[in-house]
Amino acid sequence: QVQLVQSGAEVKKPGASVKVSCKASGYTFTSYGISWVRQAPGQGLEWMGWISAYNGNTNYAQKLQGRVTMTTDTSTSTAYMELRSLRSDDTAVYYCARDGSYFMAFDIWGQGTMVTVSS
Amino acid sequence: QSALTQPASVSGSPGQSITISCTGTSSDVGGYNYVSWYQQHPGKAPKLMIYDVSNRPSGVSNRFSGSKSGNTASLTISGLQAEDEADYYCSSYTSSSLVFGGGTKLTVL
Repeated sequence: QVQLVQSGAEVKKPGASVKVSCKASGYTFTSYGISWVRQAPGQGLEWMGWISAYNGNTNYAQKLQGRVTMTTDTSTSTAYMELRSLRSDDTAVYYCARDGSYFMAFDIWGQGTMVTVSS
Repeated sequence: QSALTQPASVSGSPGQSITISCTGTSSDVGGYNYVSWYQQHPGKAPKLMIYDVSNRPSGVSNRFSGSKSGNTASLTISGLQAEDEADYYCSSYTSSSLVFGGGTKLTVL
């Protein structure tokens, strides 16, 4: 079945970096994009950006420009999101989501990866 | 961009209908027909319920419907069921970006 499976929870110190993976299966990876969305504890959803799995084009949320990098590995159908210079307010569940069945609407989601930033 | 404005909570009894509003500006909700709605149960990933203002993905109950007037989009759930109790988020495209609403907690009484 179509699914996105993310890497496990991470605990990082302030100033460190984290890289979350998102492995796709059940569909042609390069026919869609991947968006990343995060959710701080008890808070709402925040779009982080998008990457085309076809050609690697990216579009990042202005707020995260310079700290986030999204990449894909088409040989393994895996998308990655790296966030640098972590702060305590980056503590959140990070989701990857398939983007492309509909414009800027996400029909398949990963299970989420908890990233905790704490000294 | 500022988050879209949703009521913090709504409630209804089984069988009733409820509507959740999502207010933005002419730069997002009012400017594009790219409003989506997501349902999120506690500890779970969001689920797409409505895309392009009023379209349902395959498998989503026709009890869920979406509409838009000006800068405000709405999600209506008819024939409320216990399993509809969840958080609901709207989102809208806006100049090469995406903005979400703050979320609405639906309680089924």
